[in-house]
Amino acid sequence: DAGVIQSPRHEVTEMGQEVTLRCKPISGHDYLFWYRQTMMRGLELLIYFNNNVPIDDSGMPEDRFSAKMPNASFSTLKIQPSEPRDSAVYFCASGYTFGSGTRLTVV
Amino acid sequence: AQSVTQLDSQVPVFEEAPVELRCNYSSSVSVYLFWYVQYPNQGLQLLLKYLSGSTLVKGINGFEAEFNKSQTSFHLRKPSVHISDTAEYFCAVSDRGRDDKIIFGKGTRLHILP
Repeated sequence: DAGVIQSPRHEVTEMGQEVTLRCKPISGHDYLFWYRQTMMRGLELLIYFNNNVPIDDSGMPEDRFSAKMPNASFSTLKIQPSEPRDSAVYFCASGYTFGSGTRLTVV
Repeated sequence: AQSVTQLDSQVPVFEEAPVELRCNYSSSVSVYLFWYVQYPNQGLQLLLKYLSGSTLVKGINGFEAEFNKSQTSFHLRKPSVHISDTAEYFCAVSDRGRDDKIIFGKGTRLHILP
């Protein structure tokens, strides 16, 4: 079992650009979660899916953020347009297992 | 809704001394409880979890935690810490039987002093 796989590990982008973060959950897990970690706000739940269906997106900070899960083995979190305050580490989790995260820096 | 309070943002402790990291939770339903560890510049690793059964839960790296329902607490302990335990520790809660949504506390940074 390779665990939860996230890509890229690091992303540096310019303000206004579109950013797409990717996640491959553990096979057989029904739930998939996206979290954001910052120094100021700690770990925040952004959105989660059950069987590929979004259940609760109340944590998504703005309409610039969107997430999809087209099938059981893949999910994306997109930010368009990105802003410097979006800089954070974004984690994907399935079950109780977390990926290694994507460190996003928006300059 | 659930919430988690980690009372100490930082805990300094000498190497080979015991440590306790405190965690209290609130929820209107029965819960699952977790401790995660995050080493510098790394992801979150599950240390241990309480789902049911014995209230004393043993985890990896010599850590253990005790679920106390009456005090709504789930404190993490280790009898003798090592320099390699330097990390941030997160307590977390999930509603039992509803979904796997985990809500985290703000974390406790453990400093091991030589």
